[in-house]
Amino acid sequence: ETGVTQSPTHLIKTRGQQVTLRCSSQSGHNTVSWYQQALGQGPQFIFQYYREEENGRGNFPPRFSGLQFPNYSSELNVNALELDDSALYLCASSVAGPQETQYFGPGTRLLVL
Amino acid sequence: SQQGEEDPQALSIQEGENATMNCSYKTSINNLQWYRQNSGRGLVHLILIRSNEREKHSGRLRVTLDTSKKSSSLLITASRAADTASYFCATVPSGNTGKLIFGQGTTLQVKP
Repeated sequence: ETGVTQSPTHLIKTRGQQVTLRCSSQSGHNTVSWYQQALGQGPQFIFQYYREEENGRGNFPPRFSGLQFPNYSSELNVNALELDDSALYLCASSVAGPQETQYFGPGTRLLVL
Repeated sequence: SQQGEEDPQALSIQEGENATMNCSYKTSINNLQWYRQNSGRGLVHLILIRSNEREKHSGRLRVTLDTSKKSSSLLITASRAADTASYFCATVPSGNTGKLIFGQGTTLQVKP
């Protein structure tokens, strides 16, 4: 049990819609990262927030955006959903800083039809 | 893009046997981490080894790191059916913000 929670657990959307995924980490976790995991693949880094500022971004288009809030929660927003956005979205937080052990939530499985 | 490659892609062993998984990566790193994932759910952190370390132990787990060969291995001793899962190595590249770059993973099946 990592103490990192994500909501919702499952979500079905249609192409072109927008989606917001949420993550809540433990108090004091100053870093949160988001990953996309397609079926049968390893997770791919989307972006990272450190003390509420974006601290790095992977190879994802601008329609993927995020926020980190002062209460250590975070959001991932995806606009103009495409079929290839169907994946497991994982949130991870770290208490010791961006380069240290990250604790993952259970993920949100998104299906885009 | 994936940083590393894991070998083998799939491994099937009997309970009580040892399981060894290997990981190779391409760039210089700050540290390398191993994670376990059960049935497509969240990842569980197993162990972190820093670039200036060569070997680390945690319970039945032993991790080695060879930065000259850009490779790491995870050994699970005396495996149990509950160890059945996918195992991923992930690197934090040097000078990076801290993003984890994952390999494709090794699927381990431990038969009772």
